[in-house]
This record gives sequence, C-alpha cells and structure tokens, in this order.
Amino acid sequence: DAKTTQPPSMDCAEGRAANLPCNHSTISGNEYVYWYRQIHSQGPQYIIHGLKNNETNEMASLIITEDRKSSTLILPHATLRDTAVYYCIAIGNNAGNMLTFGGGTRLMVKP
Amino acid sequence: NAGVMQNPRHLVRRRGQEARLRCSPMKGHSHVYWYRQLPEEGLKFMVYLQKENIIDESGMPKERFSAEFPKEGPSILRIQQVVRGDSAAYFCASRQTDNRVGEAFFGQGTRLTVV
Repeated sequence: DAKTTQPPSMDCAEGRAANLPCNHSTISGNEYVYWYRQIHSQGPQYIIHGLKNNETNEMASLIITEDRKSSTLILPHATLRDTAVYYCIAIGNNAGNMLTFGGGTRLMVKP
Repeated sequence: NAGVMQNPRHLVRRRGQEARLRCSPMKGHSHVYWYRQLPEEGLKFMVYLQKENIIDESGMPKERFSAEFPKEGPSILRIQQVVRGDSAAYFCASRQTDNRVGEAFFGQGTRLTVV
C-alpha cells in the first residue's frame, strides 16, 4: 500500500471549513484513498473513501487531484465535536490487505 | 444492527496474569482485525482473522500473544503473563466479505492496565 503524508496538526475555527491535506504520490491505480478519524479514546470511525472522482457524503467531501497524488478531506462546517486525529490511508482492494494507520493530522476545532 | 462490541471496556491485571479480550463483530461480518494503541501513539496492526483461520499475524508479538476467531462466538485476543508494557488500548475491527478491504467498523476498544 502507498505511503501517505499528512501534516501533524491543524487548527480550525468553529463553523469554518476544515481542509485536511494528504499526499500519496506513490499511489497505484487500484488503490483507494480512505479517511478515518479517531476522537479521543474512541475507536476509529470511517468517514469517506474514493478512487478517482470526488466524493461527498453526510460527513465530508473528498477531493482527489487528477493525477491522484494528493487529496483533501473537507469538513464544510467544523464543530467542536470534529476535534480528532484524522487518518488518510491508501489501500488496494486485495484480499489480505488491512488498514495501516500513520500519524494522522490532529485537528483542533476552536470556538 | 449492533456495532462491533468489545468487552471488557476496561481491564486491570497484575503482572504475570492473563488477559482475555473479546470482540463480537457486526452481524454477518467474517473478517476481524486487532489493533493496539500504546499511550500517545498510533494504531498498530496486530492480527487479521477470518472464521477459524489466522490470515496475517505479522503484527503480533511472537511470545505471550495469541488470537482466535472460532466458528461460533467472539474473537479472543489472549495475552499471557502480562507485563507493564502491555498496557494499551486494544481495538477490534470487522468487515463483511463483500465490503471493500478499507471499509471496516471499529469497536470502542478495551483499555488494559497492567499494575
């Protein structure tokens, strides 16, 4: 699975959009980009995933660059409850693969 | 449909005792993963199991740790002769066979404290 690189921490004002970047320059054609988050002391929570196209669900939007070497997770209106560590993971859909978590980005939403 | 259930949520063991951590996957999920998170550190993969089979245990310490996922009942992570360094949060995740590999559902974890 491709290595991903994320900034270790970010701040965001409550009510503003939080844009979390992720670099995955060695991603291969069959690898999906997944985002998870871990709110303090809880189990990781799936947010969204994509392959080539931009994706949106009730939690967030995922923007993937055309060359697929980077992506951005967007929380459109961040709340204090969005304070968490956000993980970007590139993973192929091959049997036997498993999610591998890096350091992630610690997002602090401030009032 | 209940989520992934882990129990106990908190477990205290004295050094040298055994710890048994249980994970009941979501209904219909036959793939189970165990992860460990040391204090202030990231999640580290330990073992991947399907019913009655260990698929990948590359993240498991070679000694004292074992895992199983029997045909009936929960998956069990067993730590024998616990030491202080085993104190951590242990998370279990499950997924359906038809789901993509990256779509897993995590439990709330078991926090093991070794005193």
